[in-house]
Amino acid sequence: EPEVTQTPSHQVTQMGQEVILRCVPISNHLYFYWYRQILGQKVEFLVSFYNNEISEKSEIFDDQFSVERPDGSNFTLKIRSTKLEDSAMYFCASSELAPDTQYFGPGTRLTVL
Amino acid sequence: QKEVEQNSGPLSVPEGAIASLNCTYSDRGSQSFFWYRQYSGKSPELIMSIYSNGDKEDGRFTAQLNKASQYVSLLIRDSQPSDSATYLCAVNARANFGNEKLTFGTGTRLTIIP
Repeated sequence: EPEVTQTPSHQVTQMGQEVILRCVPISNHLYFYWYRQILGQKVEFLVSFYNNEISEKSEIFDDQFSVERPDGSNFTLKIRSTKLEDSAMYFCASSELAPDTQYFGPGTRLTVL
Repeated sequence: QKEVEQNSGPLSVPEGAIASLNCTYSDRGSQSFFWYRQYSGKSPELIMSIYSNGDKEDGRFTAQLNKASQYVSLLIRDSQPSDSATYLCAVNARANFGNEKLTFGTGTRLTIIP
């Protein structure tokens, strides 16, 4: 069964460093999303992406964040200068259509020291 | 502010009994409703989706939607210890260009007691 994959599973970085989180959505899906979940809190929407452009972003998704689909398979989230409060699980999701079910990847745990 | 509300629990149910999970939402324009299961440290896993008023059954799971009351529920019949997890209610909030972001509740922690 096709699934969303994410790398790395755990990323540790120093405050102020740049990180890139990678995702490979399900191959025939057209809509891509990033969510994050701070430990003990709810899953929060960050950004949605369709047809090589951002469709919507939340207030969390400020100028420190960017997304890119550098090739036909990968979808990346970049945080330019990490802060302590960026420590969270970051989930990539994809869907074939919109509205439609979103399937989540296993997540990347980001720890900012 | 579009909100999705759930009782955080924990909800404890004996093995074999019915577990009932509830969710209310504030945005009357919401169109799609989802239940995800999340084990500790893992990602959300889709259990059910529902789009129309009424009941939708899939195996031991039944989702119920009442748009007039802005209420969606999940029933788990013949509860098993493996059903012990946090159950997340998610509601679409229509975004631009036809995309659909999901707004999640805080989740209800369910424990099935053997």
